[in-house]
Amino acid sequence: GGIITQTPKFLIGQEGQKLTLKCQQNFNHDTMYWYRQDSGKGLRLIYYSITENDLQKGDLSEGYDASREKKSSFSLTVTSAQKNEMAVFLCASSMGLGAETLYFGSGTRLTVL
Amino acid sequence: GEQVEQRPPHLSVREGDSAVIICTYTDPNSYYFFWYKQEPGAGLQLLMKVFSSTEINEGQGFTVLLNKKDKQLSLNLTAAHPGDSAVYFCAVRDSGGSNAKLTFGKGTKLSVKS
Repeated sequence: GGIITQTPKFLIGQEGQKLTLKCQQNFNHDTMYWYRQDSGKGLRLIYYSITENDLQKGDLSEGYDASREKKSSFSLTVTSAQKNEMAVFLCASSMGLGAETLYFGSGTRLTVL
Repeated sequence: GEQVEQRPPHLSVREGDSAVIICTYTDPNSYYFFWYKQEPGAGLQLLMKVFSSTEINEGQGFTVLLNKKDKQLSLNLTAAHPGDSAVYFCAVRDSGGSNAKLTFGKGTKLSVKS
């Protein structure tokens, strides 16, 4: 089996700060995703990458940048942290699209002071 | 775009009782359906995935029903136990090959009391 590792588990930043979240997978999956999870709102897609060097915007991309440095890693940058951005950010990967299962990391909890 | 409504948001049952979570979707082209389980402090784990062609799918201790006519997907836990306590999410995707977007429901927090 494989694993998705998200770092850090907890991230505390100041309002206006630029913050980076990292994700690594060893499934050798092509597609990777960043989701934001807010209590009572489900998961919302921020960015995804179908393959290395690909980047696609999701529904919630404003205020974020993403980078697929290599097949196994996908990072997310909060360009200017805001207090209403406090949430859990989940990284996931899948072999492809369609029927493919998403495998999730355990998340990065962001707190903005 | 696709909208997925999941209910109830919270569900509390006693050990041995059944528990039912329902998702209603809007896009008639939806083809792949997923149920995920999230335990505290963890990511989501796949419980079951179903395809548009199959209406009843059984897992260990649960059944997933797909009613395409009413655009409804349900998760039925037949005899809940405390280890089932978690947040459950449904997710829906259409058959378009280039569409990576899974639309998630807002989740149901299930508490099973012994």
